[in-house]
Amino acid sequence: EAAVTQSPRNKVAVTGGKVTLSCNQTNNHNNMYWYRQDTGHGLRLIHYSYGAGSTEKGDIPDGYKASRPSQENFSLILELATPSQTSVYFCASGDPGGEQYFGPGTRLTVL
Amino acid sequence: SQLAEENLWALSVHEGESVTVNCSYKTSITALQWYRQKSGEGPAQLILIRSNEREKRNGRLRATLDTSSQSSSLSITATRCEDTAVYFCATGSNTGYQNFYFGKGTSLTVIP
Repeated sequence: EAAVTQSPRNKVAVTGGKVTLSCNQTNNHNNMYWYRQDTGHGLRLIHYSYGAGSTEKGDIPDGYKASRPSQENFSLILELATPSQTSVYFCASGDPGGEQYFGPGTRLTVL
Repeated sequence: SQLAEENLWALSVHEGESVTVNCSYKTSITALQWYRQKSGEGPAQLILIRSNEREKRNGRLRATLDTSSQSSSLSITATRCEDTAVYFCATGSNTGYQNFYFGKGTSLTVIP
């Protein structure tokens, strides 16, 4: 049974529209992360959280917001989507030892 | 910021052969992890090696860490077709242990 799930798995959005990517984990981990993965860049950290109610900026937070309403859920919000945000987005939860458990990814296309 | 980097973009081996993927990093670290990502999936951790360790094994996998040269290697013995994947190293720094920074990855193809 998958411990980190993401929805939707695929999304097509229009420029200027609002997009919300959702992530749910059943690992009971305090730490959660949002990454984007692009060819030539590897995984880049957008936002992370140390627990319910907390969000922190990662390396590339511009154009993104995050929300952690509960231990289990962590959302990534694109208020005004742009074509440059077309990418594959991964959510992960992290255990105290540093291991991260990734979801299956969301492929986002912004037209 | 690119704090970790694998030294090869892609390589291929024949099934049964051994292969080594190398990684270099730029900052002082508390730990280094190796991940594997198969096509269409999220990354999955293979090995975590701490800064005070020199070698770690996990089945057919062996990771080494050399803090003096700021480098690590991941060796896979007796490769199988299912080892075909992208391999990443990820470094955790002293300023954020629980945040790891990923390299761009090395794409490994195991040829039957």
